[in-house]
Amino acid sequence: NAGVTQTPKFRVLKTGQSMTLLCAQDMNHEYMYWYRQDPGMGLRLIHYSVGEGTTAKGEVPDGYNVSRLKKQNFLLGLESAAPSQTSVYFCASSYSRAGAGQPQHFGDGTRLSIL
Amino acid sequence: AQSVAQPEDQVNVAEGNPLTVKCTYSVSGNPYLFWYVQYPNRGLQFLLKYITGDNLVKGSYGFEAEFNKSQTSFHLKKPSALVSDSALYFCAVRDEPGNTGKLIFGQGTTLQVKP
Repeated sequence: NAGVTQTPKFRVLKTGQSMTLLCAQDMNHEYMYWYRQDPGMGLRLIHYSVGEGTTAKGEVPDGYNVSRLKKQNFLLGLESAAPSQTSVYFCASSYSRAGAGQPQHFGDGTRLSIL
Repeated sequence: AQSVAQPEDQVNVAEGNPLTVKCTYSVSGNPYLFWYVQYPNRGLQFLLKYITGDNLVKGSYGFEAEFNKSQTSFHLKKPSALVSDSALYFCAVRDEPGNTGKLIFGQGTTLQVKP
């Protein structure tokens, strides 16, 4: 049982390049999330999905796009990378029974540097 | 709007001493509260949660948290700290409204346990 797997683990991009971060979970979770973590700012939600084929904006969505074509995968795209997008990106997933306070399960992150 | 605050950027304790990491919250309605731990170069790991019931919640690795409604606090505690407890700790609250499972995270508190 791998849990939440993020690829790649590290990446360096030049300004203006594009890339896609992949998140895969094997727990059959309905909900999936993309966060970015920056020093002193905690975790900020970029986009999330409450089910296959659905996506929604979080707190800091500008400059990012997402897709959830399959239940187990949640992709985060940067169309034209900017230095301000240098960060550590985390994917998380959870069951949909939010009323029961289901915790989110996190991957180990993607460390992205934009030069 | 829901929010959490972690008033201390860093907490230093000696091994064997009790530790407390503070968290206060602001919610409309009943709070669903969580604690997570993050070790270097890893994702967040769920420690414990408060949904309802006893104000003292027990979690992983010997940690517990005390919910105090009158003080709107949810402090993380451990009777005897270990050097291996040194990590970054996040408090989180379930976002409302809506059934999305979204969490709002505090900025994090670094716990340093010295031998």
